[in-house]
Amino acid sequence: GPKVLQIPSHQIIDMGQMVTLNCDPVSNHLYFYWYKQILGQQMEFLVNFYNGKVMEKSKLFKDQFSVERPDGSYFTLKIQPTALEDSAVYFCASSLGSNQDTQYFGPGTRLLVL
Amino acid sequence: QQKVQQSPESLTVSEGAMASLNCTFSDGTSDNFRWYRQHSGKGLEVLVSIFSDGEKEEGRFTAHLNRASLHVSLHIREPQPSDSAVYLCAMSIDYNQGKLIFGQGTKLSIKP
Repeated sequence: GPKVLQIPSHQIIDMGQMVTLNCDPVSNHLYFYWYKQILGQQMEFLVNFYNGKVMEKSKLFKDQFSVERPDGSYFTLKIQPTALEDSAVYFCASSLGSNQDTQYFGPGTRLLVL
Repeated sequence: QQKVQQSPESLTVSEGAMASLNCTFSDGTSDNFRWYRQHSGKGLEVLVSIFSDGEKEEGRFTAHLNRASLHVSLHIREPQPSDSAVYLCAMSIDYNQGKLIFGQGTKLSIKP
């Protein structure tokens, strides 16, 4: 099926530093998403993004989080500054439309904040 | 806030026997239902999507949706050891711009 790529696969960072997670979505997709999965817990929605704007964000999407997709390149999630509780696997997804269109997921970025 | 509960938490099935997984949701507002699976350390792979009551088959995977009983199930025909993974059900509401709400997952193990 369609492939979503995520870079890096793993990232270890000191608390308080900035981190940027990169997502290369399916080429013709228009909707982009970030989800967070803490080890052993449920996958949870963070944010969705369409036409250059955040459409909806959850309470997990703290003020330290931001997303963008400059000039149709990578869809990025930036955390500045990072906190210990940000340690998790972050999954990017994309879909052609919202609602009934399938979201395709990347393999995740494993973020460890020390 | 819609909640999703999956059962069982884990399931072991012999190769070739039918595997059945269940998902219940907290109210009837969801419109779209999907089953994904996640092999250890990997991303999510979509298996089947279902939008109306009844049955939807994709290869060896069949989903059943019954909105009245707030229940969606997944049946895997002739499972193989490579089907061992965590299976996640997810739902969304049409006006929520595609936001998926996930269950906690069922860990499926297929014994050769």
